[in-house]
Amino acid sequence: GAGVSQTPSNKVTEKGKYVELRCDPISGHTALYWYRQSLGQGPEFLIYFQGTGAADDSGLPNDRFFAVRPEGSVSTLKIQRTERGDSAVYLCASSISGVPYNEQFFGPGTRLTVL
Amino acid sequence: AQSVTQPDIHITVSEGASLELRCNYSYGATPYLFWYVQSPGQGLQLLLKYFSGDTLVQGIKGFEAEFKRSQSSFNLRKPSVHWSDAAEYFCAGNNAGNMLTFGGGTRLMVKP
Repeated sequence: GAGVSQTPSNKVTEKGKYVELRCDPISGHTALYWYRQSLGQGPEFLIYFQGTGAADDSGLPNDRFFAVRPEGSVSTLKIQRTERGDSAVYLCASSISGVPYNEQFFGPGTRLTVL
Repeated sequence: AQSVTQPDIHITVSEGASLELRCNYSYGATPYLFWYVQSPGQGLQLLLKYFSGDTLVQGIKGFEAEFKRSQSSFNLRKPSVHWSDAAEYFCAGNNAGNMLTFGGGTRLMVKP
């Protein structure tokens, strides 16, 4: 079946602009996660959704970052007033439920470049 | 604070040689532990996971990992490396929460 998909695959924007990154999880997966991977580093947790609600947003770096999942499926990560330091690969993952030992299936990521 | 450490940034092995990638964790209680592989242009793929029971865990692609509580380690091994194993490998941990905490990764290069 289809895996996790993310669009766009690449996004180039200018400093100060607003961007939206989209994630389509595996059908039926109730848990959805966003991570950010900077060059040469491991992914870092941003936010976790269980269904429609953000169950843990402790990883969001500041209030410029916001994510939604209005119908419990597709999620959008929104970044306002982008900064050069926001440049990274943004990864989305989903799992069948929020149980910690369930496998998280990752999408290919969106590479964001802020000029 | 919870953390996962991969001491080796780069490792080069010859094709057919054995491989061991190191991972150390720091958690208050035994976490769930995972190894993922990331190939260029592809998403992270789960190789194996440990959450209880046998301390030697078998995974896909001929990989295995051994959980050692006394050393706070979860090292990944493969008896004979293939050129297609060249990739970046990430160890990750998760305790009662839902977020994965990743190590910095180890880039594996395979010499012909």
